[in-house]
Amino acid sequence: SQQGEEDPQALSIQEGENATMNCSYKTSINNLQWYRQNSGRGLVHLILIRSNEREKHSGRLRVTLDTSKKSSSLLITASRAADTASYFCATGGSNYKLTFGKGTLLTVNP
Amino acid sequence: EAGVTQSPTHLIKTRGQQVTLRCSPISGHTSVYWYQQALGLGLQFLLWYDEGEERNRGNFPPRFSGRQFPNYSSELNVNALELEDSALYLCASSARGGWNTGELFFGEGSRLTVL
Repeated sequence: SQQGEEDPQALSIQEGENATMNCSYKTSINNLQWYRQNSGRGLVHLILIRSNEREKHSGRLRVTLDTSKKSSSLLITASRAADTASYFCATGGSNYKLTFGKGTLLTVNP
Repeated sequence: EAGVTQSPTHLIKTRGQQVTLRCSPISGHTSVYWYQQALGLGLQFLLWYDEGEERNRGNFPPRFSGRQFPNYSSELNVNALELEDSALYLCASSARGGWNTGELFFGEGSRLTVL
């Protein structure tokens, strides 16, 4: 079964707008990671946030983590057409595996 | 530095056949992970190898198996192929400590089509 569940499943925005994706999970975690996948390709790591962290930034990316609500959000600011991809959250916990959600398909229209 | 490499990139098999997929991790990485990405199902965890040992296994039947070699490369074997095995098979590697300490580096995948 999937641990993380992204919301929404698909998101379409205009270039320059911000994109927010959410991830909910069910059990305790050690860390939560976000990955990006261009169509049919391998995944690329974006950012990792540990369970004792609440917010993290990397360039145009901002990730928040609320362990009390078992949720995380990924914000991409000033989106570009090149940001079009699927975005996955992945949770690592005591079950000794990194579990991925089904992803959010982001389309950024020029 | 070379990334994670997988072979073959594409292959077509028929039901009942067997397939072997190969993965070379990034130099210095000791952990190798296999994931299956079927259409609409997201990434499903298959196997985790570290230092030559199988550390964890996902909810897949025994006809999915693999191994890790002394040079840390790995192969995934699927016997008695079924139509629903059609998917992108992704290999990832990480340094010692795995996902608990850092990111996974993914290859471009092997796309298997079962007819």
